[in-house]
Amino acid sequence: GQQVMQIPQYQHVQEGEDFTTYCNSSTTLSNIQWYKQRPGGHPVFLIQLVKSGEVKKQKRLTFQFGEAKKNSSLHITATQTTDVGTYFCAGWAGSYQLTFGKGTKLSVIP
Amino acid sequence: NAGVTQTPKFQVLKTGQSMTLQCAQDMNHNSMYWYRQDPGMGLRLIYYSASEGTTDKGEVPNGYNVSRLNKREFSLRLESAAPSQTSVYFCASTEIPGVGHFGPGTRLLVL
Repeated sequence: GQQVMQIPQYQHVQEGEDFTTYCNSSTTLSNIQWYKQRPGGHPVFLIQLVKSGEVKKQKRLTFQFGEAKKNSSLHITATQTTDVGTYFCAGWAGSYQLTFGKGTKLSVIP
Repeated sequence: NAGVTQTPKFQVLKTGQSMTLQCAQDMNHNSMYWYRQDPGMGLRLIYYSASEGTTDKGEVPNGYNVSRLNKREFSLRLESAAPSQTSVYFCASTEIPGVGHFGPGTRLLVL
């Protein structure tokens, strides 16, 4: 079955440093989605990438979708304490299942 | 629009007890999902319903049953709870291959 691997599992950064999490799928994806889960909360949709090589930005967040549509990354520039949480990637691979990576838990040290 | 709602928010069970987690969505989505979340394990799919009248097993279905009551509602039942089922349970809905909309979760402790 489809597997989505995400690294790193944890990341501790000083406030103001950059942060990147990477996502790799075992199969080609029709799209990739990114979610953020605040501590004690539920996953909330951030963005969806559909096209090969697509890059999207949301303020300090940059999302990329690989040329082969099997990998993706999320980069946060100059982290803030409000960025704390777990970031998940998720993908559809032509099935009825939205498969999630295990997530990257981001801690930001003020 | 309430989105996806889940009840209860918290529950404590003793081993062997049964319970049903309720989920409802008001977005007219065809597909609904139950995930469990454990530390370091991400979101693991328990069961899903691609459309009203159908249900299928996900990655970790053992010990659970589901019912797609109608297009809005999708329930998850634990027939005989075990400590290994202590977890946070999330319901989600979507239109495939769209965005997953999650409920607030049910925190379950099995003693």
